[in-house]
Amino acid sequence: GGIITQTPKFLIGQEGQKLTLKCQQNFNHDTMYWYRQDSGKGLRLIYYSITENDLQKGDLSEGYDASREKKSSFSLTVTSAQKNEMAVFLCASSWGGAETLYFGSGTRLTVL
Amino acid sequence: GQQVQQSPSSLVLQEGENAELQCNFSSTATQLQWFYQSPGGSLVSLLSNPSGTKHTGRLTSTTVTKERRSSLHISSSQTTDSGTYLCAIDNTNTGKLTFGDGTVLTVKP
Repeated sequence: GGIITQTPKFLIGQEGQKLTLKCQQNFNHDTMYWYRQDSGKGLRLIYYSITENDLQKGDLSEGYDASREKKSSFSLTVTSAQKNEMAVFLCASSWGGAETLYFGSGTRLTVL
Repeated sequence: GQQVQQSPSSLVLQEGENAELQCNFSSTATQLQWFYQSPGGSLVSLLSNPSGTKHTGRLTSTTVTKERRSSLHISSSQTTDSGTYLCAIDNTNTGKLTFGDGTVLTVKP
């Protein structure tokens, strides 16, 4: 089996700060995703990537950048952290299409 | 865009009782997945069921595509079933899932 590792588990930043979240997977999956989950809510898609160096915007991409430098890693940058962005950020990967998504354990973002 | 509505928003059961969770969606889904999110936050896929009925262990999912609804039945609930159950759909075949807000299930001993 494979695993998805997200770092850090907890991220604390100041308002206006640029912050980067990282995700690594060893499934050898083609597609990777970044979702945001606000407290008590479902997940919303920020960015996804179907292959190395590919980036596709989700519904919530404003205020975020992403980078897929290699097949196994997918990074998300909060360009200017805001208090209303405090949430859990979840990375996922799959073989693409209708295949099952596998999730990491998340990064909890706090903005002071 | 697509909308996914889940009901009830929360459910409390005694151990051994059955649970019935509902998911309604606004547009035709080519993919529908049920996920379990533990109290600690990790998310795992339970079932992929875009149409028909599927069973795995104590779980049964029935999706009626034309009526844009799916249900998840949990039989003989256990305390370890407590957590949040999320329904997600995709109608683009890209894996871009739209999630509902979930049903929080609490099973008491």
